[in-house]
Amino acid sequence: SYVLTQPPSVSVAPGQPARITCGGNNIGSKSVHWYQQKPGQAPVLIVYDDSDRPSGIPERFSGSNSGNTATLTISWVEAGDEADYSCQVWDSSSAHYVFGTGTKVTVL
Amino acid sequence: VQLVESGGDLVQPGGSLRLSCAASGFTFSDHFMDWVRQAPGKGLEWVGRIRDKTNSYTTEYAASVIGRFTISRDNSKNSLYLQMNSLNTEDTAVYYCTRGMYYYDSSGLDYWGQGTLVTVSS
Repeated sequence: SYVLTQPPSVSVAPGQPARITCGGNNIGSKSVHWYQQKPGQAPVLIVYDDSDRPSGIPERFSGSNSGNTATLTISWVEAGDEADYSCQVWDSSSAHYVFGTGTKVTVL
Repeated sequence: VQLVESGGDLVQPGGSLRLSCAASGFTFSDHFMDWVRQAPGKGLEWVGRIRDKTNSYTTEYAASVIGRFTISRDNSKNSLYLQMNSLNTEDTAVYYCTRGMYYYDSSGLDYWGQGTLVTVSS
């Protein structure tokens, strides 16, 4: 089965950039989606199709995808960005969605 | 757009439960719908999908639930269902109802309900 690997945690100071990676075999050939989940809340789609943002999502959030790694970048981190972030792809070979292991972003 | 889950409860191992999701604010019949769950302190796990009428309402399931869980929909009631049988402790989780963004499999899930808690314990 297809596996997506993320770092368990990323710590960043306010105003600094944060980059969260999502590794998968030839993930560059798939559409990657990113979700933000704050404690006690449902996940929110923040990036879809590698690099598009739903309406209402700040431009500080951006995505890229190439080769075996997709990346979510927060251009400058704010305290309110402290949350868990998960990547997701559709694995067409198994007709399954696959979620990454999740990354907890801590704002120092 | 609003998705409201219900039906979560405490159930004994081996038992059954049916979750419901009431959808509003969009043309329910046009969208793929998915269930996603999250065990306490764990990451997101996709449970399964039901496609739209154009795709004959076909379903897909995660390996961990296939043969035990069944997803169905009633477009006349704008409702999505998850029938869960032979529950075990590993099924304990918050279950989210979600909407597929576009009319193809690889699109993201753009709306999520607030979730309903299923606890499997004796």
